[in-house]
Amino acid sequence: GAGVSQSPSNKVTEKGKDVELRCDPISGHTALYWYRQSLGQGLEFLIYFQGNSAPDKSGLPSDRFSAERTGGSVSTLTIQRTQQEDSAVYLCASSLDRGRGYTFGSGTRLTVV
Amino acid sequence: DAKTTQPTSMDCAEGRAANLPCNHSTISGNEYVYWYRQIHSQGPQYIIHGLKNNETNEMASLIITEDRKSSTLILPHATLRDTAVYYCLVYLNSNYQLIWGAGTKLIIKP
Repeated sequence: GAGVSQSPSNKVTEKGKDVELRCDPISGHTALYWYRQSLGQGLEFLIYFQGNSAPDKSGLPSDRFSAERTGGSVSTLTIQRTQQEDSAVYLCASSLDRGRGYTFGSGTRLTVV
Repeated sequence: DAKTTQPTSMDCAEGRAANLPCNHSTISGNEYVYWYRQIHSQGPQYIIHGLKNNETNEMASLIITEDRKSSTLILPHATLRDTAVYYCLVYLNSNYQLIWGAGTKLIIKP
């Protein structure tokens, strides 16, 4: 597609449930980021994928968070045993290489009730 | 911590030039200055980036001081749709950890 696509756009889940968030980057983009943004706050780095290199997971807040990127394209962010503090907008971005501007998706708004 | 400092908010009259400042006094010689903006409820949008020279594209102009310790993003003829939070970031081509500050909330007034 022409842009970065994220699904679902909105997700409401019960505390303790697992959720999966999906990101379809722009075709051919080798770099992929996940960020999260709490209401009124700036972006918080979560994880970074670059080509076939091992991902940089240093931003993941706990071991309940994990992400994978299959075939160098689609990425899934999984949050296990969700907590209310996980409520945020989860943003995915991709780039052709590290030095270019990143294209962001519209995000997934996660609400844990 | 973010490597840039920006004013929390600014106002600009519609049709006027909006000048958004950014301080990056600790910038390294090979780090680029990037600008993004985020309109309410959308993901950030890339605007422009530069290293040393001033840059211009269809969206904006970027003026970088000679010592590279600060820069200004210029929206030449601001419209109401330019109301957004504008983020200034500094990073290497080979650096993947982007630290985002709070940005400048720009409000365009009719």
